[in-house]
Amino acid sequence: AQKITQTQPGMFVQEKEAVTLDCTYDTSDQSYGLFWYKQPSSGEMIFLIYQGSYDEQNATEGRYSLNFQKARKSANLVISASQLGDSAMYFCAMREDPHSNYQLIWGAGTKLIIKP
Amino acid sequence: NAGVTQTPKFQVLKTGQSMTLQCAQDMNHEYMSWYRQDPGMGLRLIHYSVGAGITDQGEVPNGYNVSRSTTEDFPLRLLSAAPSQTSVYFCASSLDRRRQYFGPGTRLTVT
Repeated sequence: AQKITQTQPGMFVQEKEAVTLDCTYDTSDQSYGLFWYKQPSSGEMIFLIYQGSYDEQNATEGRYSLNFQKARKSANLVISASQLGDSAMYFCAMREDPHSNYQLIWGAGTKLIIKP
Repeated sequence: NAGVTQTPKFQVLKTGQSMTLQCAQDMNHEYMSWYRQDPGMGLRLIHYSVGAGITDQGEVPNGYNVSRSTTEDFPLRLLSAAPSQTSVYFCASSLDRRRQYFGPGTRLTVT
């Protein structure tokens, strides 16, 4: 079974609109971490945001926030006021504790295109 | 701080050749790892290290070797290149469990 599922292979969003990228995960661990990374066409992996399973508040980093719904096992990324530079692939990833140390399990990604 | 550096950026190999992908970090991170990214897929872990002298296998280790003699360096060796190893390879390092820092990647083609 897939541990990380990103159901949206691609999305088109109008510039300045908010966008939600979906991520659901599957783990039986109580302690785990969830990550979002951005990969622009240049290829580098850019860290966006992190949520620990015991963090009580949803994580926020500037225009990025993570909508963490533990009971539903979802960790959606919300980008407010999208910009043309947000066009990229977005990956959701999970770290399971205590099995993994620091290993990340990755989803297949969502390609986001921002339209002017 | 250079962060995580990888060399080369691009490489073409013939089937059966061997080579080493270099990875270095200057952040004194104990944890380092190698991933491969194939088209249309997320990253998959090849090998990782939790400190100098300690390495372990990830999800897809076959055909690759690693060693970690220093905190800074974590080279990945392809023993006998195969077309199935055509991919983009990323090295990453981490100080804690909350973030991994990635290198720029090496695009490898095996013909």
